[in-house]
Amino acid sequence: KQEVTQIPAALSVPEGENLVLNCSFTDSAIYNLQWFRQDPGKGLTSLLLIQSSQREQTSGRLNASLDKSSGRSTLYIAASQPGDSATYLCAVMDSSYKLIFGSGTRLLVRP
Amino acid sequence: GAGVSQTPSNKVTEKGKYVELRCDPISGHTALYWYRQSLGQGPEFLIYFQGTGAADDSGLPNDRFFAVRPEGSVSTLKIQRTERGDSAVYLCASSLGGALQETQYFGPGTRLLVL
Repeated sequence: KQEVTQIPAALSVPEGENLVLNCSFTDSAIYNLQWFRQDPGKGLTSLLLIQSSQREQTSGRLNASLDKSSGRSTLYIAASQPGDSATYLCAVMDSSYKLIFGSGTRLLVRP
Repeated sequence: GAGVSQTPSNKVTEKGKYVELRCDPISGHTALYWYRQSLGQGPEFLIYFQGTGAADDSGLPNDRFFAVRPEGSVSTLKIQRTERGDSAVYLCASSLGGALQETQYFGPGTRLLVL
């Protein structure tokens, strides 16, 4: 059974810092991996989707990498801003079409 | 165009009551998913529709939960004899064709509280 783990569970950093969020999964037979952002009381916003054949994806200040063989992904946020404060969720999709999520990393960027 | 919408945004009910949660997917999306998110956890899969049919309902926790999508667009998640443990945020997502490489787009969720 696929399990997704995210470390750390919570993170507080000063504005401007570069940071890395980690995601690991137990079964490397995935089709893709997605990073989502969730603001309090809101739904999920897709940030980046990495197909299993890809190694990384970039969007603005965000860069996500995927090492399928080792079951790991990282989300790199450059020059963090207070507006980046949110919960970041990692999810993998296998052949069952369902997304399997980690519990998230709660990020606070202090002004 | 509009994103995925869900109604109601909040629902408070009493233990034992019946509730219906509605999801309007993005227009033209054939795949629709329901997830449930408990406090402090990531969403957990409930059911996946491809068109009108439930392609995978393996995540429904028990037979009190049922979902329909009669015309291949709007979906309703139905919960009978609600229990306090059903309290959670129920999220709906849709994707264009249900292909494995597609992004799922999520709605804002319905927050269900069972007293």
